Amino acid sequence: NAGVTQTPKFQVLKTGQSMTLQCAQDMNHNSMYWYRQDPGMGLRLIYYSASEGTTDKGEVPNGYNVSRLNKREFSLRLESAAPSQTSVYFCASTERLAGGPRTGELFFGEGSRLTVL
Amino acid sequence: GESVGLHLPTLSVQEGDNSIINCAYSNSASDYFIWYKQESGKGPQFIIDIRSNMDKRQGQRVTVLLNKTVKHLSLQIAATQPGDSAVYFCAENRPPGAGSYQLTFGKGTKLSVIP
Repeated sequence: NAGVTQTPKFQVLKTGQSMTLQCAQDMNHNSMYWYRQDPGMGLRLIYYSASEGTTDKGEVPNGYNVSRLNKREFSLRLESAAPSQTSVYFCASTERLAGGPRTGELFFGEGSRLTVL
Repeated sequence: GESVGLHLPTLSVQEGDNSIINCAYSNSASDYFIWYKQESGKGPQFIIDIRSNMDKRQGQRVTVLLNKTVKHLSLQIAATQPGDSAVYFCAENRPPGAGSYQLTFGKGTKLSVIP
């Protein structure tokens, strides 16, 4: 199993450009997440999808949109990139169902490194 | 000058010694905690978890201790090896409401193992 796969791994954008980060998981997990990680910081939640067909804002959603395309795929879109969005982005998933017990590890992808000039 | 938050707390340990990494959490309603390990250039990897109805849990070479009175979590690594060198994050589940599951991560501690 590949686990959680993110593409692209690296991207350089100019201010104002748009792009979509793709994430797919092959573990039949229900919930998927997008985090960003900045130097010396922990991971901050951007958006999450507790189950197919639902999405919710996390801690830092401004400037981003998401789409839960199907159970496997959860994409993150930057409509007009800003230098403040330079970061490493991580997608994660868990089998946990919304409304179920709040336990279970998150499985992370390898990250997508985005630089906005 | 450099901003607070850009520098991770660092713990340097001699190979073979035990390591203790500490974490303070903020929400007394948090009911689930996880420790993650992140190696350079990789995504975080699960190490061990603990529910709030426990105060200790052991895994292979790792032990997590939870002190709810002072909202403190620690990760103990026995016989630290060079492969343990990484950044370690604690994460707490803060339930904003029934049915939601959101982990909030700490800023991390960098563990350096001296051969």
